Formats: sequence, C-alpha cells, structure tokens
Amino acid sequence: DTEVTQTPKHLVMGMTNKKSLKCEQHMGHRAMYWYKQKAKKPPELMFVYSYEKLSINESVPSRFSPECPNSSLLNLHLHALQPEDSALYLCASSQPGLAGPGELFFGEGSRLTVL
Amino acid sequence: GESVGLHLPTLSVQEGDNSIINCAYSNSASDYFIWYKQESGKGPQFIIDIRSNMDKRQGQRVTVLLNKTVKHLSLQIAATQPGDSAVYFCAENTGGGYNKLIFGAGTRLAVHP
Repeated sequence: DTEVTQTPKHLVMGMTNKKSLKCEQHMGHRAMYWYKQKAKKPPELMFVYSYEKLSINESVPSRFSPECPNSSLLNLHLHALQPEDSALYLCASSQPGLAGPGELFFGEGSRLTVL
Repeated sequence: GESVGLHLPTLSVQEGDNSIINCAYSNSASDYFIWYKQESGKGPQFIIDIRSNMDKRQGQRVTVLLNKTVKHLSLQIAATQPGDSAVYFCAENTGGGYNKLIFGAGTRLAVHP
C-alpha cells in the first residue's frame, strides 16, 4: 500500500469549473512533488516544494495553482482547464537531499478528465 | 524481442529468463538515477537507485549499471516473473541541489509463461 494518499482518485470537470486535487503523506518527508502523466508517456514534473516553499515550477500554466499548507499536505488547484489537461496527476514525496532527491514515494494518482 | 514505434517500446521475455531494460539519459551533469516500475492503474514504484560515483549496484534480483561515458543506464532483472510485467522508467536528477527528477520514455516489459 502506498504511503502517499491522493484524493479524489477520479475527477471529471468542465472547463469553467474550479476543483482541487489533494495529497497527504505522514512519512515526515519535507519535499513534495506534482507530476502529470499522459497515457503511454512518462511522468512530467510540474512543481516541487521543499520545506513548504515552492522551489521548482516547470513553466506550468497559471490555471494550475499548487499549495503546500503544511509539511504533510499538498494541493493542486485547478481552474479554467482545457481538455488537453486530462491526465493522471501524481503526487510524490521524499526527503530533500543535497545530491539528489532520494527515493520518491508516489501516490496512486488522480485521474482527471476535462470535458 | 524489442519493438519501437508509436507505442511504448516493449520487451517480451519468457518467464525465468533474465531481462535487460536500457535507458539513455540526457544530462551529463546528472548525479543520481533511479529505476521505477509502474503497473497499470498505479503510481511509479521505486526499484533501485545509483549515484554517479558508482557504475553498478545490486538489489534483490535487480542490478543497475551506469555508463557515464555514453550516458547509458540499464536495469537487469534476474529470473523474470509474471509479476514483473509493467512499464519501467529510468529517471535522472538534473537539478543539482534541487530535487528535479526527470523521467525517461519508458519500456513495457511483457513476461510470458
């Protein structure tokens, strides 16, 4: 069983809706990540939080807005999405490392469909 | 055999055989590499990692080889089992002091009885 919990598992939204994806971990990790994965493609990095501060934004459109309320929680707020944003959104956590992230623990993902 | 096309490259092996999955990484400054396994409908699962100051690391039934000269990484799975069927991704840390893990294209491993 994964120790990174993502909710909801499935989400269907219209282009004018506002929704949020949530991620929670209780492993004491201080780095958390959002990745986007399209079918038959590798996960693509979106955001990295380190010690609750945004450290990497991979030029993600502003219709995706991350939030890290505390060291255990990571949210991804969605607004005015496009159908091409439909994908599996993966959350991960790790210990921050000076020479690499160490093992990233991934959640099962939230499958998003934008109509 | 191995096939490449519009779909994920697929490696088909017989149960009990050894499997070798290859990966070419992009950044010569990358200092840390991980292999992940992703089963259908699940998130990626850590298999084994290796730092750039090593060229080989062994785990349980798995071995990772790193050739920095040609920027090549491989994953060897001994005595492949049906439960090994999944998509395998290599990932490299390109961020220096930051945690910036970038995934390769992936290879589907199909194990036949």
